[in-house]
Amino acid sequence: GAGVSQTPSNKVTEKGKYVELRCDPISGHTALYWYRQSLGQGPEFLIYFQGTGAADDSGLPNDRFFAVRPEGSVSTLKIQRTERGDSAVYLCASSLGSESETQYFGPGTRLLVL
Amino acid sequence: GEDVEQSLFLSVREGDSSVINCTYTDSSSTYLYWYKQEPGAGLQLLTYIFSNMDMKQDQRLTVLLNKKDKHLSLRIADTQTGDSAIYFCAETSNSGYALNFGKGTSLLVTP
Repeated sequence: GAGVSQTPSNKVTEKGKYVELRCDPISGHTALYWYRQSLGQGPEFLIYFQGTGAADDSGLPNDRFFAVRPEGSVSTLKIQRTERGDSAVYLCASSLGSESETQYFGPGTRLLVL
Repeated sequence: GEDVEQSLFLSVREGDSSVINCTYTDSSSTYLYWYKQEPGAGLQLLTYIFSNMDMKQDQRLTVLLNKKDKHLSLRIADTQTGDSAIYFCAETSNSGYALNFGKGTSLLVTP
Protein backbone atom coordinates (compact mmCIF):
# COMPACT_ATOMS: atom_id res chain seq x y z
CA GLY A 1 0.00 0.00 0.00
CA ALA A 2 0.94 3.65 -0.17
CA GLY A 3 3.36 5.00 2.38
CA VAL A 4 3.37 8.35 4.13
CA SER A 5 3.33 11.21 1.64
CA GLN A 6 4.28 14.83 2.21
CA THR A 7 3.76 17.93 0.11
CA PRO A 8 5.42 20.01 -1.08
CA SER A 9 8.72 18.18 -1.34
CA ASN A 10 10.54 21.52 -1.35
CA LYS A 11 9.45 24.95 -0.22
CA VAL A 12 11.38 28.20 -0.54
CA THR A 13 9.96 31.21 1.22
CA GLU A 14 11.03 34.61 2.45
CA LYS A 15 11.58 35.59 6.04
CA GLY A 16 8.33 36.66 7.65
CA LYS A 17 6.05 34.65 5.37
CA TYR A 18 3.54 31.98 6.38
CA VAL A 19 3.91 28.36 5.22
CA GLU A 20 1.83 25.20 5.41
CA LEU A 21 3.27 21.71 5.12
CA ARG A 22 1.00 18.75 4.50
CA CYS A 23 1.23 15.11 5.57
CA ASP A 24 -0.88 12.18 4.38
CA PRO A 25 -0.36 9.24 6.74
CA ILE A 26 -0.69 5.57 5.92
CA SER A 27 -4.36 4.65 5.69
CA GLY A 28 -5.67 3.33 8.98
CA HIS A 29 -2.85 4.75 11.09
CA THR A 30 -4.31 6.63 14.02
CA ALA A 31 -1.08 8.13 15.32
CA LEU A 32 0.78 10.88 13.46
CA TYR A 33 4.05 12.61 14.34
CA TRP A 34 5.97 15.61 13.09
CA TYR A 35 9.74 15.83 13.43
CA ARG A 36 12.26 18.45 12.30
CA GLN A 37 15.70 17.55 10.98
CA SER A 38 18.33 20.26 10.78
CA LEU A 39 21.43 19.81 8.65
CA GLY A 40 23.79 17.23 10.13
CA GLN A 41 21.40 16.32 12.93
CA GLY A 42 18.96 13.57 13.71
CA PRO A 43 15.23 14.26 13.62
CA GLU A 44 13.77 16.05 16.65
CA PHE A 45 10.23 15.48 17.85
CA LEU A 46 7.74 18.32 17.38
CA ILE A 47 4.18 17.09 17.94
CA TYR A 48 2.13 13.88 18.23
CA PHE A 49 -1.50 13.36 17.25
CA GLN A 50 -3.70 10.50 18.35
CA GLY A 51 -6.74 10.76 16.14
CA THR A 52 -7.78 14.39 15.76
CA GLY A 53 -6.23 15.72 18.93
CA ALA A 54 -2.68 16.85 19.62
CA ALA A 55 -1.73 14.54 22.47
CA ASP A 56 1.71 16.11 22.92
CA ASP A 57 2.95 19.35 21.38
CA SER A 58 5.87 19.80 23.76
CA GLY A 59 8.41 19.72 20.94
CA LEU A 60 7.07 22.75 19.08
CA PRO A 61 9.81 25.39 19.43
CA ASN A 62 7.52 28.40 19.93
CA ASP A 63 4.03 29.72 19.27
CA ARG A 64 4.78 30.44 15.61
CA PHE A 65 4.40 26.70 15.03
CA PHE A 66 0.99 25.05 14.99
CA ALA A 67 -0.37 21.78 13.59
CA VAL A 68 -3.85 20.43 12.96
CA ARG A 69 -5.40 17.12 12.02
CA PRO A 70 -9.13 17.96 11.77
CA GLU A 71 -10.45 14.64 10.47
CA GLY A 72 -7.91 12.30 12.03
CA SER A 73 -6.08 11.64 8.79
CA VAL A 74 -4.25 14.41 6.91
CA SER A 75 -2.24 16.82 9.04
CA THR A 76 -0.96 20.30 8.29
CA LEU A 77 2.00 21.92 10.03
CA LYS A 78 1.73 25.69 9.95
CA ILE A 79 4.58 28.11 10.53
CA GLN A 80 3.88 31.82 10.93
CA ARG A 81 6.38 34.65 10.45
CA THR A 82 9.06 32.27 9.24
CA GLU A 83 12.66 32.86 10.29
CA ARG A 84 15.89 31.70 8.65
CA GLY A 85 16.44 29.33 11.57
CA ASP A 86 13.26 27.47 10.59
CA SER A 87 15.08 26.12 7.51
CA ALA A 88 15.17 22.33 7.89
CA VAL A 89 13.59 19.13 6.65
CA TYR A 90 10.19 18.56 8.23
CA LEU A 91 9.40 14.88 8.52
CA CYS A 92 6.04 13.29 9.15
CA ALA A 93 5.56 9.76 10.46
CA SER A 94 2.56 7.62 11.23
CA SER A 95 1.98 4.46 13.22
CA LEU A 96 -0.86 2.02 13.63
CA GLY A 97 -1.48 2.82 17.28
CA SER A 98 0.49 4.88 19.69
CA GLU A 99 2.98 3.73 22.26
CA SER A 100 5.77 1.51 21.05
CA GLU A 101 4.28 1.11 17.59
CA THR A 102 6.73 1.32 14.71
CA GLN A 103 6.77 4.73 13.05
CA TYR A 104 6.93 4.95 9.25
CA PHE A 105 8.33 8.15 7.83
CA GLY A 106 7.49 10.20 4.77
CA PRO A 107 10.12 11.69 2.43
CA GLY A 108 9.99 15.05 4.17
CA THR A 109 9.50 18.66 3.11
CA ARG A 110 12.68 20.68 2.69
CA LEU A 111 11.96 24.21 3.86
CA LEU A 112 14.35 27.01 3.01
CA VAL A 113 13.70 30.45 4.48
CA LEU A 114 15.64 33.20 2.71
CA GLY B 1 16.51 15.70 26.91
CA GLU B 2 18.15 12.32 26.60
CA ASP B 3 21.15 11.95 24.30
CA VAL B 4 21.68 9.12 21.84
CA GLU B 5 25.32 8.97 20.74
CA GLN B 6 26.74 7.58 17.53
CA SER B 7 30.07 7.84 15.78
CA LEU B 8 29.71 10.20 12.86
CA PHE B 9 31.51 8.40 10.07
CA LEU B 10 32.45 4.87 8.95
CA SER B 11 34.18 3.74 5.78
CA VAL B 12 34.37 0.08 4.68
CA ARG B 13 35.34 -1.85 1.58
CA GLU B 14 32.65 -3.57 -0.46
CA GLY B 15 32.14 -7.13 0.76
CA ASP B 16 33.39 -6.42 4.28
CA SER B 17 31.16 -6.26 7.35
CA SER B 18 30.13 -2.91 8.80
CA VAL B 19 29.43 -2.34 12.47
CA ILE B 20 27.67 0.82 13.55
CA ASN B 21 27.54 1.54 17.27
CA CYS B 22 25.14 3.53 19.40
CA THR B 23 24.77 4.34 23.08
CA TYR B 24 21.49 5.46 24.55
CA THR B 25 20.49 6.81 27.91
CA ASP B 26 16.87 5.93 28.62
CA SER B 27 16.87 2.53 30.31
CA SER B 28 13.06 2.44 30.09
CA SER B 29 13.06 2.43 26.27
CA THR B 30 10.81 -0.36 25.08
CA TYR B 31 12.12 -0.56 21.54
CA LEU B 32 15.32 0.52 19.85
CA TYR B 33 15.40 1.21 16.14
CA TRP B 34 17.75 1.51 13.21
CA TYR B 35 16.69 3.78 10.36
CA LYS B 36 18.50 4.36 7.06
CA GLN B 37 18.49 7.69 5.22
CA GLU B 38 19.76 8.00 1.67
CA PRO B 39 20.66 11.43 0.25
CA GLY B 40 17.59 13.62 -0.17
CA ALA B 41 15.25 10.91 1.10
CA GLY B 42 13.21 10.24 4.21
CA LEU B 43 13.91 7.67 6.88
CA GLN B 44 13.55 4.01 6.02
CA LEU B 45 13.00 1.62 8.92
CA LEU B 46 15.66 -1.08 8.75
CA THR B 47 15.05 -3.09 11.87
CA TYR B 48 14.18 -2.80 15.53
CA ILE B 49 14.73 -4.77 18.69
CA PHE B 50 12.56 -5.18 21.75
CA SER B 51 14.33 -4.29 24.97
CA ASN B 52 14.04 -7.80 26.44
CA MET B 53 16.06 -9.27 23.57
CA ASP B 54 19.81 -9.20 23.20
CA MET B 55 20.09 -10.12 19.54
CA LYS B 56 18.01 -9.99 16.39
CA GLN B 57 19.02 -11.21 12.94
CA ASP B 58 17.30 -10.20 9.72
CA GLN B 59 19.05 -11.35 6.54
CA ARG B 60 22.30 -9.34 6.31
CA LEU B 61 21.48 -7.31 9.42
CA THR B 62 22.33 -8.28 12.99
CA VAL B 63 21.34 -6.11 15.93
CA LEU B 64 23.02 -6.59 19.29
CA LEU B 65 21.68 -4.99 22.46
CA ASN B 66 23.59 -4.71 25.74
CA LYS B 67 21.10 -3.27 28.20
CA LYS B 68 23.59 -3.12 31.05
CA ASP B 69 25.87 -0.82 29.08
CA LYS B 70 23.00 0.79 27.09
CA HIS B 71 24.82 -0.13 23.90
CA LEU B 72 23.23 -1.01 20.59
CA SER B 73 25.01 -2.10 17.42
CA LEU B 74 24.04 -2.80 13.84
CA ARG B 75 26.15 -5.21 11.82
CA ILE B 76 25.74 -5.31 8.06
CA ALA B 77 27.24 -8.41 6.48
CA ASP B 78 28.70 -8.34 2.95
CA THR B 79 28.31 -4.56 2.72
CA GLN B 80 27.40 -3.26 -0.75
CA THR B 81 27.82 0.16 -2.33
CA GLY B 82 24.04 0.54 -2.12
CA ASP B 83 24.35 0.43 1.66
CA SER B 84 26.09 3.83 1.60
CA ALA B 85 23.77 6.10 3.57
CA ILE B 86 23.29 7.68 6.98
CA TYR B 87 22.18 5.27 9.70
CA PHE B 88 20.23 6.55 12.68
CA CYS B 89 19.82 4.85 16.01
CA ALA B 90 16.62 5.77 17.86
CA GLU B 91 15.06 4.98 21.22
CA THR B 92 11.52 5.47 22.41
CA SER B 93 11.61 8.36 24.82
CA ASN B 94 10.09 8.23 28.29
CA SER B 95 6.87 9.47 26.68
CA GLY B 96 6.51 6.02 25.09
CA TYR B 97 5.92 7.36 21.60
CA ALA B 98 8.31 10.17 20.61
CA LEU B 99 11.60 8.87 19.23
CA ASN B 100 14.98 10.23 20.32
CA PHE B 101 17.48 9.99 17.49
CA GLY B 102 21.24 10.09 17.37
CA LYS B 103 22.98 12.40 14.94
CA GLY B 104 23.49 9.56 12.51
CA THR B 105 26.49 7.58 11.24
CA SER B 106 27.48 8.25 7.65
CA LEU B 107 28.52 4.92 6.07
CA LEU B 108 30.65 5.04 2.95
CA VAL B 109 31.20 1.79 1.06
CA THR B 110 34.08 1.87 -1.39
CA PRO B 111 34.58 -0.61 -4.25
